[in-house]
Amino acid sequence: DAGVIQSPRHEVTEMGQEVTLRCKPISGHNSLFWYRQTMMRGLELLIYFNNNVPIDDSGMPEDRFSAKMPNASFSTLKIQPSEPRDSAVYFCASSLAGGPPANEQFFGPGTRLTVL
Amino acid sequence: RKEVEQDPGPFNVPEGATVAFNCTYSNSASQSFFWYRQDCRKEPKLLMSVYSSGNEDGRFTAQLNRASQYISLLIRDSKLSDSATYLCVVNSGRTGNQFYFGTGTSLTVIP
Repeated sequence: DAGVIQSPRHEVTEMGQEVTLRCKPISGHNSLFWYRQTMMRGLELLIYFNNNVPIDDSGMPEDRFSAKMPNASFSTLKIQPSEPRDSAVYFCASSLAGGPPANEQFFGPGTRLTVL
Repeated sequence: RKEVEQDPGPFNVPEGATVAFNCTYSNSASQSFFWYRQDCRKEPKLLMSVYSSGNEDGRFTAQLNRASQYISLLIRDSKLSDSATYLCVVNSGRTGNQFYFGTGTSLTVIP
């Protein structure tokens, strides 16, 4: 299994630009999570989907952030317009929803975003 | 109050030492508990789940105390390769699928 795939692995952009992060979950998993990690705040859940439906987006910082999951094998996280404070590592994770141990989350390698 | 709280450390221990990490959680209805390991500039990976009766995997022992709402991880005979950040994770979402991560405890095993 290829695991969770994220692209790009690194992104450097200028303030005000649109940024799109991509994620392909593990085949067969029905839950997908977007996290942001910084030194100051640790790992924060931004949004998660169950069966392609957004369940909880309370962690999305503000309207500049949006996430979609058009099908079971693809999700995007978009930041428009980007700001320097958005610089962080963004992780996508997937799991098979259900009782433990099935709901172990598997993380992708992350996208390291730098907004200048 | 944070959902999950951990001592950030750092813990610097010599090879062969035993080290223990604790973590507390705020939601008494939490159902699932995990320890994840994160190496520098890498993604978090599951180290072990934590079961009510406590569980052991080689040199690692995890325990859960529901009454006091804390989770512990014990590492015996520390190896250099154990150096990493250890994240305490609690599943306490309404839908049963929302994970809350602690900020992590940093461990460095010294030769």
